This record gives sequence, structure tokens and C-alpha cells, in this order.
Amino acid sequence: GQNIDQPTEMTATEGAIVQINCTYQTSGFNGLFWYQQHAGEAPTFLSYNVLDGLEEKGRFSSFLSRSKGYSYLLLKELQMKDSASYLCATSYSGYSTLTFGKGTMLLVSP
Amino acid sequence: DGGITQSPKYLFRKEGQNVTLSCEQNLNHDAMYWYRQDPGQGLRLIYYSQIVNDFQKGDIAEGYSVSREKKESFPLTVTSAQKNPTAFYLCASNGREGTEAFFGQGTRLTVV
Repeated sequence: GQNIDQPTEMTATEGAIVQINCTYQTSGFNGLFWYQQHAGEAPTFLSYNVLDGLEEKGRFSSFLSRSKGYSYLLLKELQMKDSASYLCATSYSGYSTLTFGKGTMLLVSP
Repeated sequence: DGGITQSPKYLFRKEGQNVTLSCEQNLNHDAMYWYRQDPGQGLRLIYYSQIVNDFQKGDIAEGYSVSREKKESFPLTVTSAQKNPTAFYLCASNGREGTEAFFGQGTRLTVV
């Protein structure tokens, strides 16, 4: 199976740090993507993890533990424009398609 | 510039009418996909195609049809058999197994 679980909603304050978790089924797992989606717009690519560990890209970092079937997206120094839905997506061996989670709606308040 | 283009951005149709959503890419990607997104929900796969003249049903294919006559194009037809067609439709493509998917801007279909 390829079920992906992530929280439905999170809230945080401008300037703070927030961690969005994602769990997935490990059988046949290949890699994990994080996308950002603003309301009414297309998802945009944030990160891709295939090896264990932390990948840092400016204010955003993504972590993967293959053995635990677990990833998180870490957003630092939150800005109002970071209010969006964050989608976790996985790829599995033998499948071209990505499987998307339902997304985590992040609301950043002043 | 390379990219993936959906048209139109907004589409209104009367109940019972078929409607076709356009998706074109110039990224030379083999695989193309159609997703549906409802308010507050994630992406659900409708159809995908890994090669010209071949396509596969996704999780929610009923009431939809596609064609892949050219590598660059993957149009989606929402038929009258689709019971609840009002949604945001996203087209995507990627180059090979498990690589990053690129998305079009989406088409918001409203059936009245």
C-alpha cells in the first residue's frame, strides 16, 4: 500500500519554526517529494529526498527516515506568504506516478 | 520557455454536457497525468499515460476519458457520466519513473 498520512491543519506565528510530518508505507518506497500549493494554484516543487537525513534549502529543510517511513518539512523564520497547503508525495519502484497525501494547510498569523 | 500549459483556467458548463480540458507540455516528458482536487482535499489521480497511444486508469477514472495521440498533448474529457464534475483539475508531467512532477496552472470547472 501507499497510504500517506499528514496532519490536516497547522497554525504558527510569523517568525516561528514549524515542522510538518508525513508518514508513508515503506514497501517498494523510492523517494519522497514535498510540494507547496497556494489556494487555487498549481503545486510547486520544494524538495526531494531519497536518502536518509536532512536536506536544507534556505528557510526550508526536509528530513527522511526510510526505515521508519517518516519525513518532515521544516519551515524556519515563517513569513505570511508561507500560508499554503503542503503536500507530501511518494514514488514507488515500478510506478511512474507519484502518490499524494491530502496536504497540510498551514496558516501563518502575525 | 519549457513548461506545461492547461487551458482554459476557468470553465463553466451546463449539466449533461461533455467538456474537454486541454493539457500541452514542451518538456519532452514521456509521462503525463490528470489529477482532480476538491476543496480541502489532496490530489486524486484520474488517468495517466506513460507513452503515446497508451494510458491507464487512476483511482477515480469513472466518468472521464483521455487520449494521447501526441507526446505533447493529453486532453481530458469530463463526460455527462461524471456525477460531480465541479472541481479543480490539474495536469502534470514527469520525465522518468519517480522524478519530479511539473504541474500546469489548473482548470477550475464549474457545472451549473
